[in-house]
Amino acid sequence: QVQLQESGPGLVKPSETLSLTCTVSGGSFSRYYWNWIRQPPGKGLEWIGYIYYSGSTNYNPSLKSRVTISVDTSKNQFSLKLSSVTAADTAVYYCARNLAAAGTPFDYWGQGTLLTVSS
Amino acid sequence: DIQMTQSPSSLSASVGDRVTITCRASQYISKYLNWYQHKPGKAPKLLIYDASSLQSGVPSRFSGSGSGTDFTLTISSLQPEDFATYYCQQSYSTPLTFGGGTKVEI
Repeated sequence: QVQLQESGPGLVKPSETLSLTCTVSGGSFSRYYWNWIRQPPGKGLEWIGYIYYSGSTNYNPSLKSRVTISVDTSKNQFSLKLSSVTAADTAVYYCARNLAAAGTPFDYWGQGTLLTVSS
Repeated sequence: DIQMTQSPSSLSASVGDRVTITCRASQYISKYLNWYQHKPGKAPKLLIYDASSLQSGVPSRFSGSGSGTDFTLTISSLQPEDFATYYCQQSYSTPLTFGGGTKVEI
């Protein structure tokens, strides 16, 4: 059974860097893109970007200047760093996977972790 | 970016009702449209992929149709566990984008 679990600090101060980790259990790590998606309170879902096990990445242009996604295949983990955060980055952050092929859906998601930006 | 427009944004229905949600893409996306069900505090769940393919384990009362720019999710007979928010998502090109969601309420 595939499971994804997000972990992070819960609270970050404005202008600091947000760091989240997703731990994956079950299934292959190498056949998939590993994604971060967020949902601000009362708003819709926004795709942040993905990483392949090889380390290649694809980021949403709207966040690209502030985003870094990295992978640690030895731990079956991938991580998100978002710099210079503001209150607008307050959201539930999800990790999800999709098969590394054209047009594939997110077939497994984590339950999400709430990240609040506040001083 | 491809904009995804869902309608309605919310609807009220009763158990046993037939429910239809529409999703329109701002440009051609072929069959690359997916539907998810989301309940508060839970992981979103994939229902339909490639516009009309039912994800394994999803009840057959859920169905999807459409291609190009216009798509539909239908729940043939609404069950109590179906009250949730539904999102469409295009996987045709990056940045991957979602519709604004449709909240199905009692």
